[in-house]
Amino acid sequence: AQTVTQSQPEMSVQEAETVTLSCTYDTSESDYYLFWYKQPPSRQMILVIRQEAYKQQNATENRFSVNFQKAAKSFSLKISDSQLGDAAMYFCAYRSAGTYKYIFGTGTRLKVLA
Amino acid sequence: EAQVTQNPRYLITVTGKKLTVTCSQNMNHEYMSWYRQDPGLGLRQIYYSMNVEVTDKGDVPEGYKVSRKEKRNFPLILESPSPNQTSLYFCASSRSGPSSEKLFFGSGTQLSVL
Repeated sequence: AQTVTQSQPEMSVQEAETVTLSCTYDTSESDYYLFWYKQPPSRQMILVIRQEAYKQQNATENRFSVNFQKAAKSFSLKISDSQLGDAAMYFCAYRSAGTYKYIFGTGTRLKVLA
Repeated sequence: EAQVTQNPRYLITVTGKKLTVTCSQNMNHEYMSWYRQDPGLGLRQIYYSMNVEVTDKGDVPEGYKVSRKEKRNFPLILESPSPNQTSLYFCASSRSGPSSEKLFFGSGTQLSVL
């Protein structure tokens, strides 16, 4: 069975600095998708970034980028130039290409300090 | 506006009293799913549906029922709620297909079972 691990329950970053959130996963599949979702205090779930496992190039979305290491089964999220609005819970998620079963990590709460 | 609508947002009930949480999407999505979010456990998938009359179990289906009679609706039914089903519930939908489709989430339902 697939698992997703987020080993950092909480992280803090100074405004305008860079922070990296860790995510590791375990799977025997070769084709899958990985996601980072953000959950601000409003509790709305928002897609931050996604990565197809067959693509070697790391995904980027403005200030958000990932470091995807397929062999190491690692999928970290880097937030550059952190802003107060980035404060939220961040969830890493895995989805097999063959099914629509999603596996989420336990989340990392990010605090942004002014 | 494209959205997933969940109702109610908050619900307090007593053990054993049947309840239904409704979920509706206006994007003609084939895929719909239910999750529960608990502190320290992240989101866990309860059930999902690939299309009308097609449903499958996620990781924590015990104590829940779903139905997909229409494409837009995917209600979650708790026939005999128990206190361990106190949780924050999310409905989500997406297009189906082989790609890494983004999940659209509802606003969540905070359920308390006394």
